[in-house]
Amino acid sequence: EIVMTQSPATLSVSPGERATLSCRASQSVGSNLAWYQQKPGQAPRLLIYGASTRATGIPATFSGSGSGTEFTLTISSLQSEDFSVYYCQQYNDWPLTFGGGTKVEIK
Amino acid sequence: EVQLLESGGGLVQPGGSLRLSCAASGFTFRSYAMSWVRQAPREGLEWVSTISGSGGSTYYADSVKGRFTISRDNSKNTLYLQMNSLRAEDRAVYYCAKAGDTYGNYGHDYWGQGTLVTVSS
Repeated sequence: EIVMTQSPATLSVSPGERATLSCRASQSVGSNLAWYQQKPGQAPRLLIYGASTRATGIPATFSGSGSGTEFTLTISSLQSEDFSVYYCQQYNDWPLTFGGGTKVEIK
Repeated sequence: EVQLLESGGGLVQPGGSLRLSCAASGFTFRSYAMSWVRQAPREGLEWVSTISGSGGSTYYADSVKGRFTISRDNSKNTLYLQMNSLRAEDRAVYYCAKAGDTYGNYGHDYWGQGTLVTVSS
């Protein structure tokens, strides 16, 4: 099983600042990585797939990068609606696996 | 507009069974793999199972293998999850999610609102 490790667990950022979230895979997943945003009481929302392709309707303030085992989600200028929990997920191999999540909170 | 509507959750005793359903609309159902993903209270996301668009391939997490069965009826645009031998640790909100292609690639681009399964005596 491919283990996905996200860091940090919690990220405190001021509105308007940049947030950088990390996701590491225990073995290479190529570019077969997705990022999701989840707000309390809501279903996850796909932000990024293919490590760097924004999903439909996702603003350009969200960007993904990386390949192999190291990935990054960057939110260029945090808005109030961006304070959420973010998950990475690999789909390179079965079983599909999620990271433990990074909570982005207001500093 | 893509819509996924889960149903079938509820309270069940340990060792009991439950069948979840997910009614899909707004896309060509048979062309996409579908998954179940669960989330225990105050925990992260856990993938449970995926079925290919044709239904010919199924995949399971080790934690549910042999107890849960995923299936689909492409004539009814409906996804199912038969859950047997339920345990307390199966307690979670279960989400139905649409994959990006027929094989399960490209992440999950649409999700239902979730249905809560509680396992307790």
